[in-house]
Amino acid sequence: LAKTTQPISMDSYEGQEVNITCSHNNIATNDYITWYQQFPSQGPRFIIQGYKTKVTNEVASLFIPADRKSSTLSLPRVSLSDTAVYYCLVGDRDDMRFGAGTRLTVKP
Amino acid sequence: NAGVTQTPKFRVLKTGQSMTLLCAQDMNHEYMYWYRQDPGMGLRLIHYSVGEGTTAKGEVPDGYNVSRLKKQNFLLGLESAAPSQTSVYFCASRTAGANYGYTFGSGTRLTVV
Repeated sequence: LAKTTQPISMDSYEGQEVNITCSHNNIATNDYITWYQQFPSQGPRFIIQGYKTKVTNEVASLFIPADRKSSTLSLPRVSLSDTAVYYCLVGDRDDMRFGAGTRLTVKP
Repeated sequence: NAGVTQTPKFRVLKTGQSMTLLCAQDMNHEYMYWYRQDPGMGLRLIHYSVGEGTTAKGEVPDGYNVSRLKKQNFLLGLESAAPSQTSVYFCASRTAGANYGYTFGSGTRLTVV
């Protein structure tokens, strides 16, 4: 099982780009990297998934270096509504665990 | 399409009382999960099920029991509630092999006094 490590919390200001890095040194060859976002008082929701290089959608970008031992979730020009907890998941197992995530606080 | 529905949304219990939380999904998902989230903390897996009639323990199973008698329903029971079980409980479901496809319910806020 690929153990993940991500910062507990981050602060940013509106309009800035935010990068959240997740370390996963023992990622397996077939493992995908998946990020979820959880707003206060809601359950998490899927935002992006990738295997290697770069993936971009309307919400975020995901950068994965060649060795795949880490990944970076990039949120462009954040707003107050991006305040949430962000979870990095690696691989796919029946008893998937979300961990503590990274609590992002966006300030005006 | 309702997705994942949790009932009740709020509940206050006295220490020692019992209750059952119900989770229902209408997406024909094989996998279902119960997580708890304490204030300012991440999600912790209580129990999960990979199919009708099967259940398994997660990270924090003590004090809880579960049943999956029908594919669409996953019940979480507290036999003798304790203040340490005060938390927000989330149910989730997904298709096997699709960890991008978790669908979560809106949560049940439980307070044990």
